[in-house]
Amino acid sequence: DMKVTQMPRYLIKRMGENVLLECGQDMSHETMYWYRQDPGLGLQLIYISYDVDSNSEGDIPKGYRVSRKKREHFSLILDSAKTNQTSVYFCASSPGQKDEQYFGPGTRLTVL
Amino acid sequence: GQQVQQSPASLVLQEGENAELQCNFSSTATQLQWFYQSPGGSLVSLLSNPSGTKHTGRLTSTTVTKERRSSLHISSSQTTDSGTYLCASGTGGYKVVFGSGTRLLVSP
Repeated sequence: DMKVTQMPRYLIKRMGENVLLECGQDMSHETMYWYRQDPGLGLQLIYISYDVDSNSEGDIPKGYRVSRKKREHFSLILDSAKTNQTSVYFCASSPGQKDEQYFGPGTRLTVL
Repeated sequence: GQQVQQSPASLVLQEGENAELQCNFSSTATQLQWFYQSPGGSLVSLLSNPSGTKHTGRLTSTTVTKERRSSLHISSSQTTDSGTYLCASGTGGYKVVFGSGTRLLVSP
């Protein structure tokens, strides 16, 4: 069963704390993505990963970094979280360029 | 860069009615994907249709590439179809741009 998983599903952090969001996929997809979704702004691309240790900034990378050490795992890291990073974060994967994207269930992050 | 606009922003139907959702994009698309987002927030891919017409169940998508538009037709709507429908378009490469969505409410 093709699946993208995200952990945790809900997270509350204080401003200045570090945050680690994890994403996994069992489809051996080369490409993985991190998005955030905010009311009125839709889905915005944070980072793309083309494969292990091959990452590229998306449209809103500031304040985030990523890590991909295995093809099936893609992490989003917030060093010293800010209140304006409160959002719902989605991970997605696709086999490659121009291919359909499959989304995880999302992580709702609240930064107080 | 690519811009994606969806209309209408919201739509209210009675169960059994048909729905027509529109997606317009600023540049010729090589990728076009329709998603459903449930009221709980999960995102599900419905159709990938960069050109032509595609059917799945009660859904039909028609994309006219030269006119930079795509539509999603939902026939015989059900209350469980309620949610937000998102269109995503890409011009090649890895990146797609999402529209703001159409919020559909189907009442019994």
